Amino acid sequence: NAGVMQNPRHLVRRRGQEARLRCSPMKGHSHVYWYRQLPEEGLKFMVYLQKENIIDESGMPKERFSAEFPKEGPSILRIQQVVRGDSAAYFCASSPEADYNEQFFGPGTRLTVL
Amino acid sequence: SQQGEEDPQALSIQEGENATMNCSYKTSINNLQWYRQNSGRGLVHLILIRSNEREKHSGRLRVTLDTSKKSSSLLITASRAADTASYFCATQTGRRALTFGSGTRLQVQP
Repeated sequence: NAGVMQNPRHLVRRRGQEARLRCSPMKGHSHVYWYRQLPEEGLKFMVYLQKENIIDESGMPKERFSAEFPKEGPSILRIQQVVRGDSAAYFCASSPEADYNEQFFGPGTRLTVL
Repeated sequence: SQQGEEDPQALSIQEGENATMNCSYKTSINNLQWYRQNSGRGLVHLILIRSNEREKHSGRLRVTLDTSKKSSSLLITASRAADTASYFCATQTGRRALTFGSGTRLQVQP
């Protein structure tokens, strides 16, 4: 059973471009969480999704950031018009059901904005 | 401010010694979890302790939880060089999302 997959592992963008980060949860998992980690800091929650629904987006900036988890395919975190402050590691985690407390993390996507 | 704050921020010990990391939090929780992160990697779940539990063991790991003091500790016994990593506590409340502390960077010298 493959773990949580994220791609790309590294992404370089220039200011103003768009970044698309993908996350494929573990097989059988329908709950996805996105977190952002700045250097030397802990992870900060961004958004929690179930298939086709955003459940909690309280940690996501109101502008330029969006997330989706379609019925088919991976979850996508989209950052429009990136700025240098968006440079961070973005981690996706999944869990099998709402009452399952442990979250399984992917290896992360390291976004660098030039 | 952060829900979880780890202490110390960095810890360097010799192989075979025990390592103790502490975590404090601010609000009521359903459970507290500890994760490990190797440099440049994702997080690995280590152990979960529920709010009605006081102590839990898993292999060389021992976690305690004091809800009256809103604090937890992670003890790694007989440390190994492979234990070198950052360790994060994360709390979970009614919301599903985890709230992480800033981590303790553990260095185990061989």
